[in-house]
Amino acid sequence: QVQLVQSGAELKKSGASVKVSCKASGYTFTDYYIHWVRQAPGQGLEWMGWLNPDSGSTNYGQIFQGRVIMTRDTSINTAYMELTGLRSDDTALYYCTRGPRLSPSWGDLWGQGTLVTVSS
Amino acid sequence: QSALTQPASVSGSPGQSITLSCTGTSTDVGRFNLVSWFQQHPGKAPRLIIYEVTKRPSGVSNRFSGSKSANTASLTISGLQAEDEADYYCCSYGGSTTFVVLGGGTKLTVL
Repeated sequence: QVQLVQSGAELKKSGASVKVSCKASGYTFTDYYIHWVRQAPGQGLEWMGWLNPDSGSTNYGQIFQGRVIMTRDTSINTAYMELTGLRSDDTALYYCTRGPRLSPSWGDLWGQGTLVTVSS
Repeated sequence: QSALTQPASVSGSPGQSITLSCTGTSTDVGRFNLVSWFQQHPGKAPRLIIYEVTKRPSGVSNRFSGSKSANTASLTISGLQAEDEADYYCCSYGGSTTFVVLGGGTKLTVL
């Protein structure tokens, strides 16, 4: 079954870091980029960046540069998104999704989302 | 503030056709044929319904169609159904530096 399965909800304090995982199955992990998108409560989608699981290269959205780190472990077909220096406005549902490696298009498969709550 | 401009809300009656707009600039929507549309029902993950302006992923109803003129992309839903009530987001490739630009979303209400 082709799917992306994310780790569970997280509750963090301001200033802490959070690391969310996204496990791929049913397809060749290295054939697709992993993109991360977040959605604050009642708000729209916000693209965070992509990871190339084959090379490990990344491209981060401008507002996240310096605070986000995307990595992967190809031995277990899992991508990770770590966000540092958490603030209350980082409270959101974080999604992983994929895009073909040879195309800028993305979003044909999504994880279930991981709720990250940041408290002061 | 979103990079692509979408109307906050639109509404239509069952059976009607409705068009959602998505306005960008000459550096994103106008430059690349890489506009996507996502549908999101409450409490659910987004679902890709249009990519590369006009293409539909397997399993997406042909009632959904996409187009583009200059800096504005459009999503047309024909034969509106109650299940089409959802939020719709447009997205464009913005080049190797910006990469992704997103719209703020349109809430579609089926009356």
